[in-house]
Amino acid sequence: AIQLTQFPSSLSASVGDRVTITCRASQGVSSALAWYQQKPGKGPKLLIYDASSLESGVPSRFSGSGSGTDFTLTISSLQPEDFAIYYCQQFNTYPLTFGGGTKVEIK
Amino acid sequence: QVQLVQSGAEVKKPGASVKVSCKASGYIFTNYYMHWVRQAPGQGLEWMGIIKPSGGSTTYAQKFQDRVTMTRDTSTTTVYMELSSLKSEDTAVYYCAREGRDAYSGYDYWGQGTLVTVSS
Repeated sequence: AIQLTQFPSSLSASVGDRVTITCRASQGVSSALAWYQQKPGKGPKLLIYDASSLESGVPSRFSGSGSGTDFTLTISSLQPEDFAIYYCQQFNTYPLTFGGGTKVEIK
Repeated sequence: QVQLVQSGAEVKKPGASVKVSCKASGYIFTNYYMHWVRQAPGQGLEWMGIIKPSGGSTTYAQKFQDRVTMTRDTSTTTVYMELSSLKSEDTAVYYCAREGRDAYSGYDYWGQGTLVTVSS
């Protein structure tokens, strides 16, 4: 199975900060990668698909990049509602797999 | 509007089975694949498998291969996930999630989640 390693596993940031989360795949997944946001007690929400496509309705401060094995989710200016856990997921090969998550906390 | 509505919370004893339903509405049921994902308390997301509602074909994660069955009923636009031989480690929230139409499109809609508690 393809392993996805996210780092950092957690970070503290302030409102207005630029935040970058990395997801590294154990083998190439082309652009078949999605990013989700999950808030406490809620289900995940799709942010980015196909590595860099912004899901409809998601604020433009979220962006994704990368292909192959290295991917990045960037929040250009962190807002109070962005404090959550973020997960990457690869869609290239079964079994589909998720990264371990990155918790974004308030500094 | 698209909705995925799951069945309610379950409490089961070790060794029992559980069947969770996910009723889809607001779109053409057979045009979208459905996945099941679970999340143990305080843990990350774990993919369990996929069902293609048009023909009913399935692919399961090897971890669950011997214990999971995913089915669908096109007349009621409902997918089901049955997990047998439950263990305490199966205590988790189980989600159904719709895969978008485009390649590599991710899960654009999720059910509200069903908490399954396995306890003696």
